[in-house]
Amino acid sequence: NAGVTQTPKFQVLKTGQSMTLQCAQDMNHEYMSWYRQDPGMGLRLIHYSVGAGITDQGEVPNGYNVSRSTTEDFPLRLLSAAPSQTSVYFCASSSPGFYGYTFGSGTRLTVV
Amino acid sequence: RKEVEQDPGPFNVPEGATVAFNCTYSNSASQSFFWYRQDCRKEPKLLMSVYSSGNEDGRFTAQLNRASQYISLLIRDSKLSDSATYLCVVKDRTNDYKLSFGAGTTVTVRA
Repeated sequence: NAGVTQTPKFQVLKTGQSMTLQCAQDMNHEYMSWYRQDPGMGLRLIHYSVGAGITDQGEVPNGYNVSRSTTEDFPLRLLSAAPSQTSVYFCASSSPGFYGYTFGSGTRLTVV
Repeated sequence: RKEVEQDPGPFNVPEGATVAFNCTYSNSASQSFFWYRQDCRKEPKLLMSVYSSGNEDGRFTAQLNRASQYISLLIRDSKLSDSATYLCVVKDRTNDYKLSFGAGTTVTVRA
């Protein structure tokens, strides 16, 4: 039972490059979210989805796009990477009325 | 003002000691409360939910004070393996899918 799988685990980008962080879950969860974690700050919500075909912005959406074509997958796209996007990114999934989110193991992104 | 605030610590305690710390939240509409544990460079994992009447899970006790808008976590008989960052997490009544995270309280248990 894989849970939530994120790829890649590490990535270095040059300013201006684009890339997609992958997230897949095999628990048939309706809710999926992307968070970023920076030193001294709590996890901040970037984008979230409450089901296939439905996405919405979180607290810090600028510079990121998402789509949810299937229940299982929720990729996060960086359109034009900036040093301010250097962070650890976590994908998480859950079901309505849950008692816990399941997190992926994270992607450590450095933008130079 | 941050929605969820925690004392960052670190709390440095010997094995066998009791350690406790709080978290305050600003949104009075908050409905559900959780403690997550995060080990260094790992993903957060659910430690326990926090119920209105308070609840225990082994050596861990969580309390909720709605009037003062804070929750607490107490760890008894600390083990070396309890060393981690503990994240306070709050869920809004109207948004079942959105969590607000505190920045975390770091606990280090020494031999």
